[in-house]
Amino acid sequence: SQTIHQWPATLVQPVGSPLSLECTVEGTSNPNLYWYRQAAGRGLQLLFYSVGIGQISSEVPQNLSASRPQDRQFILSSKKLLLSDSGFYLCAWTYPRDGYSYNSPLHFGNGTRLTVT
Amino acid sequence: QKEVEQDPGPLSVPEGAIVSLNCTYSNSAFQYFMWYRQYSRKGPELLMYTYSSGNKEDGRFTAQVDKSSKYISLFIRDSQPSDSATYLCATKTQNNAGNMLTFGGGTRLMVKP
Repeated sequence: SQTIHQWPATLVQPVGSPLSLECTVEGTSNPNLYWYRQAAGRGLQLLFYSVGIGQISSEVPQNLSASRPQDRQFILSSKKLLLSDSGFYLCAWTYPRDGYSYNSPLHFGNGTRLTVT
Repeated sequence: QKEVEQDPGPLSVPEGAIVSLNCTYSNSAFQYFMWYRQYSRKGPELLMYTYSSGNKEDGRFTAQVDKSSKYISLFIRDSQPSDSATYLCATKTQNNAGNMLTFGGGTRLMVKP
């Protein structure tokens, strides 16, 4: 079976500090990977998605960047955090469009709660 | 106008009640419909996944899609306090290069014992 891991679960960082959140998926190959942000009381905002190693699509211009150095690893980074970067960050995966099923739904990790102080 | 609209609630019901959660959408190209349950401080977990119009039942949960009205529903029978969570509807089109979903804003449900 497939599992997705995100860490850390909770993070408190000062404004201006760097950020690195990591996500890994086990039990599948060549997944599509996604980073979402969920602000308090609000819906899910897609930040980045990746259909393969080194392939990153950005949905929202911002202070964040993403990288996919390995097939099942997805990293969310920032060089200098802003107060507005606080939120709940979720990594997710799905089967690729031309893989097992392009009809497959999204599966989420348990998220990282980031507080920028 | 958001592509997927969902009443944020909160919706408070007594234990044992039948719960109806709803979403409307505007894009007629949406073909696949999902419901996710999200407990506080956790990631969303997939509850139901349906394609096209009709009903799908899984235990106490029934998902209903009416494509003519662009309306999707999730019914919970015999609701339990453990059903207290935020419920997110999601949709996607068939020809979607990134296999990306469009989410509603979520409805917070509270089931009181």
